[in-house]
Amino acid sequence: GAGVSQSPRYKVAKRGQDVALRCDPISGHVSLFWYQQALGQGPEFLTYFQNEAQLDKSGLPSDRFFAERPEGSVSTLKIQRTQQEDSAVYLCASSWFLTGGPDTQYFGPGTRLTVL
Amino acid sequence: DAKTTQPTSMDCAEGRAANLPCNHSTISGNEYVYWYRQIHSQGPQYIIHGLKNNETNEMASLIITEDRKSSTLILPHATLRDTAVYYCIVRVSPSNAGNMLTFGGGTRLMVKP
Repeated sequence: GAGVSQSPRYKVAKRGQDVALRCDPISGHVSLFWYQQALGQGPEFLTYFQNEAQLDKSGLPSDRFFAERPEGSVSTLKIQRTQQEDSAVYLCASSWFLTGGPDTQYFGPGTRLTVL
Repeated sequence: DAKTTQPTSMDCAEGRAANLPCNHSTISGNEYVYWYRQIHSQGPQYIIHGLKNNETNEMASLIITEDRKSSTLILPHATLRDTAVYYCIVRVSPSNAGNMLTFGGGTRLMVKP
């Protein structure tokens, strides 16, 4: 009965390093979302998967950001050559996508990334 | 998705009802009103949603005006653990794939002893 889990919970990176953030969605959930939350702001959408297909990546801020979900369950958000402006909390959410009905997104605790 | 307007912050006495307003005057007929909250250092948590009828669950009640241009989230007996940022979100559901949530600034609710 576990919820959405994310790892690591905290990550400190030096500017220019690559980082990988992991999301384990609720078992059986079809939809998976990544959001970015800057300090004092609401979360902002980054990208969306339905099973293994990345159907929307319009929120990714640059081509340094890459997300994958190869087997339709676990997802990884990768940030290459990190910059200070990438410092934020990265949230993952999953939902059971129901055609014809409202879906509810369940969020993980987030990964707080600090780029020095 | 329609834009929402919420007060930046509110205070509530512990044990009293907390009434959080939200304006969504441009809401369309097929858009739902969702409420999420985010306790410090946690991910957002779903509270409740509705289309046009009032809704109640174990966490809260949602009152939607008849013209659907505004709504109120009611926490009937606020506790200190209800201190959080509350987000009112309007979205089409279901929509095309990519049912992302568009968060505004939310209301920071402080429950005081």
